[in-house]
Amino acid sequence: GENVEQHPSTLSVQEGDSAVIKCTYSDSASNYFPWYKQELGKRPQLIIDIRSNVGEKKDQRIAVTLNKTAKHFSLHITETQPEDSAVYFCAASMEGSQGNLIFGKGTKLSVKP
Amino acid sequence: NAGVTQTPKFQVLKTGQSMTLQCAQDMNHNSMYWYRQDPGMGLRLIYYSASEGTTDKGEVPNGYNVSRLNKREFSLRLESAAPSQTSVYFCASSTDRQNYGYTFGSGTRLTVV
Repeated sequence: GENVEQHPSTLSVQEGDSAVIKCTYSDSASNYFPWYKQELGKRPQLIIDIRSNVGEKKDQRIAVTLNKTAKHFSLHITETQPEDSAVYFCAASMEGSQGNLIFGKGTKLSVKP
Repeated sequence: NAGVTQTPKFQVLKTGQSMTLQCAQDMNHNSMYWYRQDPGMGLRLIYYSASEGTTDKGEVPNGYNVSRLNKREFSLRLESAAPSQTSVYFCASSTDRQNYGYTFGSGTRLTVV
């Protein structure tokens, strides 16, 4: 089955710097890659997603890139703010799996003012 | 529009006790899921239901049972709770199209002593 590896497990940046979180997946049949943000004590919430027919997608300060050949995708956050501090999860969905998402283990991002 | 509603929010059980976690969604989604979240382990799929009347095992189904009562409701039952089931449980739902993300409930924090 699909396996998703996420790095780093923790990331600390200064306010205003950029943050990058990387994920790799194992099955080339995966074609949907969402990112979730989970604030302390809250539910995971979808922040951005990308499909395998697209190489990059942006939404204000966040962007996701996908390299199908290398089977990895990344989340980029620019001009980080303290409210970006949270745990971020990447996930992958394999075609034919009825939409079951396989999650990475998460990255705890801390943005220091 | 409440989205995905989970009850209870907190629960403490003694080893061997049973309980049912309730989940309901009002978005007319066909697919529903139960995940558990443990520190450093990400979100792991327990059971899922691709449509009303069907349920399937996920990555960590042992010790759990589920019921898809109708299109809206998907419950998770612990028949004989064990300390290893101490976790935060999230219910989620999605459309029946594979390439859409999940909407998560607010979670149930379960402690088994």
